[in-house]
Amino acid sequence: DSGVTQTPKHLITATGQRVTLRCSPRSGDLSVYWYQQSLDQGLQFLIQYYNGEERAKGNILERFSAQQFPDLHSELNLSSLELGDSALYFCASSPTRGTGELFFGEGSRLTVL
Amino acid sequence: AQTVTQSQPEMSVQEAETVTLSCTYDTSENNYYLFWYKQPPSRQMILVIRQEAYKQQNATENRFSVNFQKAAKSFSLKISDSQLGDTAMYFCAFMKGHYGQNFVFGPGTRLSVLP
Repeated sequence: DSGVTQTPKHLITATGQRVTLRCSPRSGDLSVYWYQQSLDQGLQFLIQYYNGEERAKGNILERFSAQQFPDLHSELNLSSLELGDSALYFCASSPTRGTGELFFGEGSRLTVL
Repeated sequence: AQTVTQSQPEMSVQEAETVTLSCTYDTSENNYYLFWYKQPPSRQMILVIRQEAYKQQNATENRFSVNFQKAAKSFSLKISDSQLGDTAMYFCAFMKGHYGQNFVFGPGTRLSVLP
C-alpha cells in the first residue's frame, strides 16, 4: 500500500459526459501528479500541483482540468469525454524533500462508451 | 527538456537467468535522481530501485542492480535470478532536483520471464 488513495477505481460513462477523479496523497506529501496511461502505452504526464499551486503542466487537454485543495487532496475533471479518453489515470505524490520518488495510487480506470 | 529513452520495447528471459534492461537519458542538469518502476499485469506502479546522480556507487536492491554511467547518461537495470513474478512493464524515470520537478518516464520495456 503506497498510501495514495484514488477513487473511483473503475468508471464507465458515455461520450460527452463529465467525470471527476479524486486523489488523496500520502500524509505529509505536498506534491500531487496526474498521469494518463492508455492501453499498452507509457505514462503521459498531465499536471503537477504543489501545496495548492500548479507547478508544471504536460500534455493536458483543454477539456481536462485539475485542482489541489487546502487539505491537499486533488481532483482531475474530464469533460466532453471522447472514446479516446478511455485510459488508466494515475495520481502520485512525492515528499517535499528527500528520496524524490513518486508514490502511485492504484489508478482510476475510465471507460468511455 | 529532459528525455528518457528505452531502446528495447520487449524482452524475454528464462526463469533463473539474468537480464539487463537499457535506459539512456538526456539532461544538462548535474543533480538529479533516476528510477526504475515496475508495472505488473495488475497495473500498479511499483518502485524497483533508485539512484542519486551524485552517488558513484551503483544502487542494489536484492536481485535488482543498476549500472549507472553518468558521463554516458546511461542507467541500465540488471535482474538476476529472474522469477516469473518479474514479468512486467519496466519504466525508467528521471527527476530533476529534490522537489519532484520534471519527473519524466521512458516509454517502457515489456519483460516476459519464461518458465
